[in-house]
Amino acid sequence: NAGVMQNPRHLVRRRGQEARLRCSPMKGHSHVYWYRQLPEEGLKFMVYLQKENIIDESGMPKERFSAEFPKEGPSILRIQQVVRGDSAAYYCASSPISTYEQYFGPGTRLTVT
Amino acid sequence: SQELEQSPQSLIVQEGKNLTINCTSSKTLYGLYWYKQKYGEGLIFLMMLQKGGEEKSHEKITAKLDEKKQQSSLHITASQPSHAGIYLCGADKGSGYALNFGKGTSLLVTP
Repeated sequence: NAGVMQNPRHLVRRRGQEARLRCSPMKGHSHVYWYRQLPEEGLKFMVYLQKENIIDESGMPKERFSAEFPKEGPSILRIQQVVRGDSAAYYCASSPISTYEQYFGPGTRLTVT
Repeated sequence: SQELEQSPQSLIVQEGKNLTINCTSSKTLYGLYWYKQKYGEGLIFLMMLQKGGEEKSHEKITAKLDEKKQQSSLHITASQPSHAGIYLCGADKGSGYALNFGKGTSLLVTP
């Protein structure tokens, strides 16, 4: 059973470009969580999604950031018009139910130049 | 917002030695979660503590939550190279899923 997969593992974008981060949850998991780790900080919750629904986006910046988890395919975290401050490691986690026991992917490291 | 401070920031111990990692919260904890991250990989759930005074063990790792529910410790007995990694404590505001973590403690176990 493959674990949570994230791609790309590393992403470089210039200021103003769009970044798309993908997350494929573990088989059988319908709950997806996105986290961000800024430099010198701990991982912070961003958004919680179930298939086709955003359940909790309380940790997500109000502008330029969006997330989706379609009926088919991976969950996508989209950052429009990236700025240097978006440089961070973005982690995705999944679970079979809504729970603190989450299975994390290896992360995507975004660098904005 | 709730802040989690972990200490020490990094730790190097000789194989077979015991060690303790601490996690202090700025606010009362609803739940305290310990995860481990191997370098370059995702986080792995270790344990969850909820009640003041609670203590849980898994193999050679024991975690405790103090009575006031603002501090937790993770103790490893007879450390092994397989214990190496980054240990993170996490907390939520009662949601049960929206976790925020401390900066982590990097552990290296030398032969």
